[in-house]
Amino acid sequence: DAKTTQPTSMDCAEGRAANLPCNHSTISGNEYVYWYRQIHSQGPQYIIHGLKNNETNEMASLIITEDRKSSTLILPHATLRDTAVYYCIVQYSTLTFGKGTMLLVSP
Amino acid sequence: GAVVSQHPSWVICKSGTSVKIECRSLDFQATTMFWYRQFPKQSLMLMATSNEGSKATYEQGVEKDKFLINHASLTLSTLTVTSAHPEDSSFYICSSIPMAGRTTEAFFGQGTRLTVV
Repeated sequence: DAKTTQPTSMDCAEGRAANLPCNHSTISGNEYVYWYRQIHSQGPQYIIHGLKNNETNEMASLIITEDRKSSTLILPHATLRDTAVYYCIVQYSTLTFGKGTMLLVSP
Repeated sequence: GAVVSQHPSWVICKSGTSVKIECRSLDFQATTMFWYRQFPKQSLMLMATSNEGSKATYEQGVEKDKFLINHASLTLSTLTVTSAHPEDSSFYICSSIPMAGRTTEAFFGQGTRLTVV
């Protein structure tokens, strides 16, 4: 099973871009990279996913390196409501969560 | 987007009693439902995977006789915590991936905060 590693915590100023890295060096060729976030005491929320091309949606952008061993989630203009734990997950038969990154957006 | 409705959002029960948590997929058919447990300041831990019409698959260390999972229909899965004890107090979350459609992201319930006193 592929594993992911993320920094434990990150800080970001409101209005600035938040760049959250994830390492997944053992990812298999057909495994997608998914990002979810969990606001305190709520169920996780889907953000974005990708296989090898960069992806963008209304919430975020996902940059995947060419060798697919790492990726970066970008929140272009972070707001206070983006404060949450962000999980990078490699999709396989079940969604297994690592420890994630606690992003704190401050005024 | 798809919606997974989890009920109740919180429950307090006495030690030794049983508690049932329901998880419904409101606008899609959920062939598979995942059940997680989350202790304070920790990540989600997968407890079991339930498939409609068949027995659930439990993760190592999770007691199947204590955490009863029923997935009798494509829109409803239940988790019953039997003979609950204070150490079972946790945040329980269900999740499902829509059976059909172009996307494969998972949708999560709102979670159930269980407190056993």
